[in-house]
Amino acid sequence: QVQLQESGPGLVKPSQTLSLTCTVSGGSISSGDYYWSWIRQPPGKGLEWIGYIYYSGSTYYNPSLKSRVTISVDTSKNQFSLKLSSVTAADTAVYYCARDPTNQWEPPGWGQGTLVTVSS
Amino acid sequence: EIVLTQSPGTLSLSPGERATLSCRASQSVSSSYLAWYQQKPGQAPRLLIYGASSRATGIPDRFSGSGSGTDFTLTISRLEPEDFAVYYCQQYGSSPRNTFGQGTRLEIK
Repeated sequence: QVQLQESGPGLVKPSQTLSLTCTVSGGSISSGDYYWSWIRQPPGKGLEWIGYIYYSGSTYYNPSLKSRVTISVDTSKNQFSLKLSSVTAADTAVYYCARDPTNQWEPPGWGQGTLVTVSS
Repeated sequence: EIVLTQSPGTLSLSPGERATLSCRASQSVSSSYLAWYQQKPGQAPRLLIYGASSRATGIPDRFSGSGSGTDFTLTISRLEPEDFAVYYCQQYGSSPRNTFGQGTRLEIK
């Protein structure tokens, strides 16, 4: 089964860029079987979808974050990444990477999540 | 942009009772890519239902999902103590469908 693991700094200063990587194991990111997504959840709040990338490089972002978000893929490392620029305290959240299957009969799956705190 | 609205915001029930949670979309969505998650404090969301009605691996059969078009329902037939948590619906897959509902808190009465 395809598994996901987030990694990156747990603390980012205001106005800087948040960078996270998701490593995919148990399958190829280039298979075309999934959209590779990022989701976040601020403390005590609900879930927010950030965006996704397909193995071909096509992306789609949440309109509310689009101006600050970049998602990229590195097929050689079987990884995809999130960059969120000009962060503020409001970007403090648990960030999850996820796989959204193109096959309707397969379930989606998430990583365990990583907490990123924006603070000076 | 599709908006998913969950109701009620909070549901107070007793163990053994039946719970019915609603997820309504602002426009018709594909039931093939509608999921339900359960989240307990300090934990990552746990997938319960995908494709509107398929139970994820290891999910007890007291959990069931149904619906199509704009109206979807998660039903817990007989509440166990461990079922009290926050529940989210999600439209996933390719754009512009990706979005979450705001959540329903299921609390012990």
